[in-house]
Amino acid sequence: TQLLEQSPQFLSIQEGENLTVYCNSSSVFSSLQWYRQEPGEGPVLLVTVVTGGEVKKLKRLTFQFGDARKDSSLHITAAQPGDTGLYLCAGSSGGYQKVTFGIGTKLQVIP
Amino acid sequence: DTGVSQDPRHKITKRGQNVTFRCDPISEHNRLYWYRQTLGQGPEFLTYFQNEAQLEKSRLLSDRFSAERPKGSFSTLEIQRTEQGDSAMYLCASSLNTRYNEQFFGPGTRLTVL
Repeated sequence: TQLLEQSPQFLSIQEGENLTVYCNSSSVFSSLQWYRQEPGEGPVLLVTVVTGGEVKKLKRLTFQFGDARKDSSLHITAAQPGDTGLYLCAGSSGGYQKVTFGIGTKLQVIP
Repeated sequence: DTGVSQDPRHKITKRGQNVTFRCDPISEHNRLYWYRQTLGQGPEFLTYFQNEAQLEKSRLLSDRFSAERPKGSFSTLEIQRTEQGDSAMYLCASSLNTRYNEQFFGPGTRLTVL
């Protein structure tokens, strides 16, 4: 069974601060996705990383895939209240690319 | 709107009743997934279709759960004899048959079993 551990599980910060959340596994993934989910809604895909060491930027969000493709991080610069939500990482592997989700990091950005 | 849609968005039912949820995927997507998500958890895989074929079912999916995708387009998830433990958000996602299998989710159906 592939497990994805996310840390921290909860994070409350002031507007303007920087933060990093982590996604770790003992398994190798062929690709890893990050999603953001708001209460009562489905997850929204933010990014897919596929190459070990890859870095992708989405405005103030920076995503990195570990060299061994077992872990990933999400860094947010100058967090804003609109960044509040549940951040989920999800790893894909296997014949039909079954996706395994982490438990998520619940982020609250206080104005 | 060409995203994934789910109906209903909310369902309240009494224990022992049957419920059915519908998912309409993005039209060109041939893969369709059902997940269940409870409070404080990430989505848990339930089942997966490629076109009309159901290729995998999770052990989480008891005999009371059944899913269909009769024409390879929309899908239904039925829960028979609901139990309070079935209360959760049921999420549907679809994807193209590509190497990285990026999944796009619907808004979910929130089920409450009283």
